[in-house]
Amino acid sequence: QVQLVQSGSELKPPGASVKVSCKASGYTLTSIGINWVRQAPGQGLEWMGWINTKTGNPTYAQDFTGRIVFSLDTSVSTAYLQISSLRAEDTAVYYCARVAVAGIWGNLVYWGQGTLVTVSS
Amino acid sequence: QSALTQPPSASGSPGQSVIISCTGTSSDIGGYNYVSWFQQHPGKAPKLIIYEVTKRPSGVPDRFSGSKSGNTASLTVSGLQTEDEADYYCSSYAGSSNLVFGGGTKLTVL
Repeated sequence: QVQLVQSGSELKPPGASVKVSCKASGYTLTSIGINWVRQAPGQGLEWMGWINTKTGNPTYAQDFTGRIVFSLDTSVSTAYLQISSLRAEDTAVYYCARVAVAGIWGNLVYWGQGTLVTVSS
Repeated sequence: QSALTQPPSASGSPGQSVIISCTGTSSDIGGYNYVSWFQQHPGKAPKLIIYEVTKRPSGVPDRFSGSKSGNTASLTVSGLQTEDEADYYCSSYAGSSNLVFGGGTKLTVL
């Protein structure tokens, strides 16, 4: 069965970087892209972008362009989200997710369990 | 990309029906039939309950239904049950390989 398993919670000081992983199992990572979604405490869902796992080409949402990078390591079926120059407002739960069928936008049926990133000195 | 507009809250009694709206523009909801709805309980990952405006994933009760008219999509929850109390989010394809979410609606079952 399809599973997305994310790395554990992180506590980082302001200005540091963090790399969140999302390990895919039950299917071939390169067959369907991975989306990333942010949820700040008590706030709504924000789509950060997605990475085409076949080509490695990332698409970043307008509000997230600049300090984030999506990457892949297909040898271990894992997608990554890296955020640099962390600020307090980056404190959030970060989810990876994928659609059921490639090409059907928004059909995000598979989700990771979420990774809490806390930015605090 | 601006977030889609949802009412912050909605409520209904058990057995009643409630409708949650999601308003966008002709560049997102109005332009594509890729509206989805997600249910999220506290501390849990979102769960897809509607995709492509009206379709339900396997296992989602038919009490949940979706529709769209122009730039506004709607989620109808019929026969409200206590377990339906959760946050609900809409999303839409917005062109150029972009997705946008709504701000979320907290559904209270009275």
